[in-house]
Amino acid sequence: NAGVMQNPRHLVRRRGQEARLRCSPMKGHSHVYWYRQLPEEGLKFMVYLQKENIIDESGMPKERFSAEFPKEGPSILRIQQVVRGDSAAYFCASSLRDGEAFFGQGTRLTVV
Amino acid sequence: GENVEQHPSTLSVQEGDSAVIKCTYSDSASNYFPWYKQELGKRPQLIIDIRSNVGEKKDQRIAVTLNKTAKHFSLHITETQPEDSAVYFCAARGGTSYGKLTFGQGTILTVHP
Repeated sequence: NAGVMQNPRHLVRRRGQEARLRCSPMKGHSHVYWYRQLPEEGLKFMVYLQKENIIDESGMPKERFSAEFPKEGPSILRIQQVVRGDSAAYFCASSLRDGEAFFGQGTRLTVV
Repeated sequence: GENVEQHPSTLSVQEGDSAVIKCTYSDSASNYFPWYKQELGKRPQLIIDIRSNVGEKKDQRIAVTLNKTAKHFSLHITETQPEDSAVYFCAARGGTSYGKLTFGQGTILTVHP
């Protein structure tokens, strides 16, 4: 039973490019969460999704960021026109409705 | 929405001592409180959790206590070992923000041999 899988593990983008981060939840999990972690800081909630639905996106910046969790395939966090301030570790977690949340290894985005 | 405060931000202990990390939360409807350990460059890993219908839970050297009235919960690590050194995060879930985990700021625990 594979855990939460995120790819890529490391992503380098130039300013103005798009970054696409993928997350495959644990088998049977239909709840996905994305968090951002800046160096030496805590985990900041971005968005909570269920299959084909955004449940809570209160932590998402209003511009350039979007997320989806389609009926088939992984959840995608998309950052358009990246800026240096987007450099961070992005973690995905998945859970059953009331169960513990398991985290993926994260994607470390560097914007140069 | 929920707000979680965590203290202290850094904690240094000698091997064999106990370590205590405290968190407070704001949403009285929150009903699930996990603790995560994160080593440098790695994913957060759940070490223990507690639900609001329980006051205390223990797993070997780790215990968590919950005071719903005061809206605070604590992590206790006994007989600390150097491999316990990491960043520890508390979190809260439920209530008006059902589903998402709101994390504290983290505590850097250093256990000196």
